[in-house]
Amino acid sequence: AQKVTQAQTEISVVEKEDVTLDCVYETRDTTYYLFWYKQPPSGELVFLIRRNSFDEQNEISGRYSWNFQKSTSSFNFTITASQVVDSAVYFCALSEASYTGANSKLTFGKGITLSVRP
Amino acid sequence: GAVVSQHPSRVICKSGTSVKIECRSLDFQATTMFWYRQFPKKSLMLMATSNEGSKATYEQGVEKDKFLINHASLTLSTLTVTSAHPEDSSFYICSARGASGRYNEQFFGPGTRLTVL
Repeated sequence: AQKVTQAQTEISVVEKEDVTLDCVYETRDTTYYLFWYKQPPSGELVFLIRRNSFDEQNEISGRYSWNFQKSTSSFNFTITASQVVDSAVYFCALSEASYTGANSKLTFGKGITLSVRP
Repeated sequence: GAVVSQHPSRVICKSGTSVKIECRSLDFQATTMFWYRQFPKKSLMLMATSNEGSKATYEQGVEKDKFLINHASLTLSTLTVTSAHPEDSSFYICSARGASGRYNEQFFGPGTRLTVL
């Protein structure tokens, strides 16, 4: 069975601080995909990144960066120089091996509520 | 591209009534649609997966007679909450997925907030 653990439930930082959101996953598949989504107060899920299990290179996109460590089954997300607009709930998710198959499902973590204070 | 809409965005109804929520893929054909439920401050729970023209596949513990799903066309799926009760109050989110290419991803709708009085 697949499982995603986001141990942090709520994080509060002051604007311009860096913040790291942790994600640990469990799967028996050798091929899988990991995701991060942002859910602002409006409720709509915003896709941030998808990473397959064969690609362990870290990725940076502007103020966002992701650290994939297969050895520790972790896929952590760092926001550099946080801004008030980063305040949202962030979900880490895992898909089964056949993600490219039409019916493959996403397993979500419980989410981390990030509050960035001015 | 890859826009998914939901209607209504918010609905309040009396206990015992049925409520229909629509999920539409606006600029691509969705061979598969997924319905999720999210309680306040909680994760998304997959309720069911539907393929166009086929019966939906429900997750364990989800009452198929309570939550009727119809995926009649490649751009529309509906979720009907039958005889709604206060415990059905929740945020319902759909996602749509195309068959190939750039649409071979789950694209999420904006969600529908259901409140049952």
